[in-house]
Formats: sequence, C-alpha cells, structure tokens
Amino acid sequence: DQQVKQNSPSLSVQEGRISILNCDYTNSMFDYFLWYKKYPAEGPTFLISISSIKDKNEDGRFTVFLNKSAKHLSLHIVPSQPGDSAVYFCAASARRVSSARQLTFGSGTQLTVLP
Amino acid sequence: NAGVTQTPKFRVLKTGQSMTLLCAQDMNHEYMYWYRQDPGMGLRLIHYSVGEGTTAKGEVPDGYNVSRLKKQNFLLGLESAAPSQTSVYFCASSYGGLNNEQFFGPGTRLTVL
Repeated sequence: DQQVKQNSPSLSVQEGRISILNCDYTNSMFDYFLWYKKYPAEGPTFLISISSIKDKNEDGRFTVFLNKSAKHLSLHIVPSQPGDSAVYFCAASARRVSSARQLTFGSGTQLTVLP
Repeated sequence: NAGVTQTPKFRVLKTGQSMTLLCAQDMNHEYMYWYRQDPGMGLRLIHYSVGEGTTAKGEVPDGYNVSRLKKQNFLLGLESAAPSQTSVYFCASSYGGLNNEQFFGPGTRLTVL
C-alpha cells in the first residue's frame, strides 16, 4: 500500500510557464514533507521542504503548498526553465516510537520543460 | 568535499553470486541509508544506520545485509543474488533530525542474470 502517491508519471510544460507537481499521502502521522529532483544517472538532490505546521514554503522559483485536510501537497515552479527537466520525487517523514525517522517516497513525476 | 560516493557504478552478477556495495561520505553524518529504485516504484529503504556500529531494517531488507564499522562507510551485501535484486541502488546520509534532509550518492546499477 503506497503511503505517498504521485499519480502523474509525466508532465510537459512550456518554458516560462508554471509547472505544478502533485503528491497525495495517506498516513496522517507524516509531519514533514520534502521534494527531491533527480537527473538521469545521478542521485536525487534535495529541493525544498515543508513542515506540517505550515501551509506554504517558498525558495526562489520553487513553492511548496500543503493542504493537511486533503492530505495533498504540490510543488510549483515559476517560471519553468529547460534545466528543470528532471524526475521529481515527493517524500514524507513521520516521528517513530521505536526507530529513527525514515523517508517514504512517491514514485516520481518526470517533468519536461519545452523550449 | 566529495559528498556521498558509491562503488562500483555498474555491476553484472549471475544468480547465486555475492557482492558488496560500498558507500562513503565525508560530511560527518551520523545517519546512513541504502535504497533501491525500481521503475514506477520510487525509492524504497532497504537498511539504515543511526551511527557507527548500528544497523536497522527498512521496508525491503530481505536478501541484503549491511555493516557500519566506520562512521564514514556503509556497506550493502548481497549473499546470493537473485534476478529480483536487479535495480539501481542509492546510498544516502544525513544529520538526522526533524527534516531528515538526505544527501544521495550517484547510484549503482546492478543487473542479476
């Protein structure tokens, strides 16, 4: 049972427009959410995160929105650039009683920004 | 700083063979992790370590063993490889803590025939 879901395997956007990547989760114990970006033949790199006590976090062109009641988060990229073409993973973290915090990843969305 | 490095980058094994994947980090992180990535499934945690000399099971630990003899190194072993272990393996490290931002290595592509 996937606790973190990215239902869109791919997304194409024109350069300069907004990219919106979506992520849904089922575990109400998740209290921290992260987005990672991955280029081919490289490891994922951290992009932006948000705590469950917030509903928005911005970092330059990247903004993450969290809707706790809907168990939904989204990553907005404005304006989109060709260099943003990559796979984007959503990840979530929960406090655990008997073990360390772990990240649960979604399956990823391939973003293609067209020039 | 090299960050997180993984050795080897590629490997082909026959069913039943064994191998060890090496992960090294130079960021003095306490926590280290091994993941596997399969098509359409994201990254799944195999094993992790919260400090030198410690290891713990993740989501998909069967068929793998790990060791953390030194703080900077985390080894992943396959004792008897199976075709189902064909995957891309990523190592990561972190300080731990609330946000648990993890830093990833470049990955090892393993094929088991």
